[in-house]
Amino acid sequence: AQSVTQLGSHVSVSEGALVLLRCNYSSSVPPYLFWYVQYPNQGLQLLLKYTSAATLVKGINGFEAEFKKSETSFHLTKPSAHMSDAAEYFCAVSEDGNNRKLIWGLGTSLAVNP
Amino acid sequence: NAGVTQTPKFQVLKTGQSMTLQCAQDMNHNSMYWYRQDPGMGLRLIYYSASEGTTDKGEVPNGYNVSRLNKREFSLRLESAAPSQTSVYFCASLVTGKYEQYFGPGTRLTVT
Repeated sequence: AQSVTQLGSHVSVSEGALVLLRCNYSSSVPPYLFWYVQYPNQGLQLLLKYTSAATLVKGINGFEAEFKKSETSFHLTKPSAHMSDAAEYFCAVSEDGNNRKLIWGLGTSLAVNP
Repeated sequence: NAGVTQTPKFQVLKTGQSMTLQCAQDMNHNSMYWYRQDPGMGLRLIYYSASEGTTDKGEVPNGYNVSRLNKREFSLRLESAAPSQTSVYFCASLVTGKYEQYFGPGTRLTVT
């Protein structure tokens, strides 16, 4: 069965520093992988997705993630954090090839300090 | 194009009361979902509907029922609310063959 592990429930960085949010997955089929962002008191919004094309995926707001099959990882990065990046970030893997159901990580709360 | 809308935004219930959470999408999406979000537990799927007229249980269906009224609307009903159902509820939709789910703004439910 598929599963998703996000390492670190809370991450704190300084403004301008590198953001690295970790996600490892297990999947018995070639996965589709996703990062979503949730700003306070809002719904979730797709940041980026991996769907078996390029392994380095670029998303919105300067975020990107690299699919590494050998490490079963899909870590999210951003070279320079901005105050507006403070939010909850969720990694998810598609449970079936039709992407009808997603398996979610528990989330990582990102704080950005001035 | 309003996307995914949910009503109400906030609700307080007493134990044993019933209520229906409404969700609608205007994007002509086939699949729709109900999740609950609790601190430290991520998102858990309650029910989903792959297409109009079909519904399936998710990870935590106990205490809930759903209706896929038509392609646009997918409602979630709590027949006898319990404090353990205090949560934030999100509805989402997906076009078959695409990859991302679109989320509503959520309903914050408190059961006392």
